[in-house]
Amino acid sequence: DAGVTQSPTHLIKTRGQQVTLRCSPKSGHDTVSWYQQALGQGPQFIFQYYEEEERQRGNFPDRFSGHQFPNYSSELNVNALLLGDSALYLCASSLYGTDYRRELFFGEGSRLTVL
Amino acid sequence: DQQVKQNSPSLSVQEGRISILNCDYTNSMFDYFLWYKKYPAEGPTFLISISSIKDKNEDGRFTVFLNKSAKHLSLHIVPSQPGDSAVYFCAAITGAGSYQLTFGKGTKLSVIP
Repeated sequence: DAGVTQSPTHLIKTRGQQVTLRCSPKSGHDTVSWYQQALGQGPQFIFQYYEEEERQRGNFPDRFSGHQFPNYSSELNVNALLLGDSALYLCASSLYGTDYRRELFFGEGSRLTVL
Repeated sequence: DQQVKQNSPSLSVQEGRISILNCDYTNSMFDYFLWYKKYPAEGPTFLISISSIKDKNEDGRFTVFLNKSAKHLSLHIVPSQPGDSAVYFCAAITGAGSYQLTFGKGTKLSVIP
């Protein structure tokens, strides 16, 4: 049973560029959330997708956008990268309607470095 | 403005003894609290949770205590084992149906054999 998989694992970009991160949820899950974890900080909620729509959003600018596909996989896009966007980006999946709070599974994350 | 605070960046405990990890919060709207454990190069994994209507929840060696009046919760691990060495995050949620977990900065626990 595959867990949450994220790609790429590591990547380096320069300021002003755009990046796309990908997430495949755990088998049987249909809801995906994205978190940003800066160095020395706890994860911060970016947004959550269900039924291919953004349902909830944290305090992140419009440069951060996402998408969910019919197979429940998801992408996180960040435009006009800033140095401060350097972080570990975590994807979490769950099954809508269950006690998701106890059933939220995280991937290993994508480490983005912006130079 | 940090709504969930873990004021101890690190904690060292002898194997077999009790580990106590603390967490404070400021938002009185939080009604559900969770602890996650994170090993290096892995995503956080759910450990234990507690609803705001309870003051204690136990699961094996792990117990979480909630003091609503003090806006404080703690995670007790008894007995501590070397495999418990990891970063522990406290997280909180506001309202049913919210997927927005608010995390603390984490506490790195080292259990010394």
